[in-house]
Amino acid sequence: GNSVTQMEGPVTLSEEAFLTINCTYTATGYPSLFWYVQYPGEGLQLLLKATKADDKGSNKGFEATYRKETTSFHLEKGSVQVSDSAVYFCALRGPNDYKLSFGAGTTVTVRA
Amino acid sequence: SAVISQKPSRDICQRGTSLTIQCQVDSQVTMMFWYRQQPGQSLTLIATANQGSEATYESGFVIDKFPISRPNLTFSTLTVSNMSPEDSSIYLCSAVIGQSNTGELFFGEGSRLTVL
Repeated sequence: GNSVTQMEGPVTLSEEAFLTINCTYTATGYPSLFWYVQYPGEGLQLLLKATKADDKGSNKGFEATYRKETTSFHLEKGSVQVSDSAVYFCALRGPNDYKLSFGAGTTVTVRA
Repeated sequence: SAVISQKPSRDICQRGTSLTIQCQVDSQVTMMFWYRQQPGQSLTLIATANQGSEATYESGFVIDKFPISRPNLTFSTLTVSNMSPEDSSIYLCSAVIGQSNTGELFFGEGSRLTVL
């Protein structure tokens, strides 16, 4: 079945530091890949997505590239801000499916 | 983007009681789902809410414990029955806007239940 393995946290960074959260997946065929973010006290929001190999999703300075060869979708941001403090979830949806499989989530705290 | 309204947003419940969570979507919906997020954990799919018929439950979840209704395209309810402290979680309604396998999945802000 489909599964997502996400780097465990928590991760604590200083402002302007580089952030990477690793995500690898197991799936048959060509899934769609997503990063969701959950800010403190808020609901889950889609951060970015990629639907085919070599696609790069980007939003709010975050990027992730769909790597078929390494079955990965790592999230990166070059210079984080305090406002980026949140829980980040990697997720996958199979090619002929409508359900999402989520990773465990990574809590990121950015200190001023 | 879509707006998904859930209520209640939070509640404190007594052991053995039941609570119904409502979910309303403001856009044309293809699919609706209910997820559970236990404290400090990821999201687990409870079931797919099917319009006008019984929900499709994932392994480990049963209709008697989590009855779900979806009387029309944009509205669904989840009941958490005979609650115990282990049911303390955030329950999230979600909906696919657009085609089932390509549309974006939106989430409500969740209903945080605490069972004493």
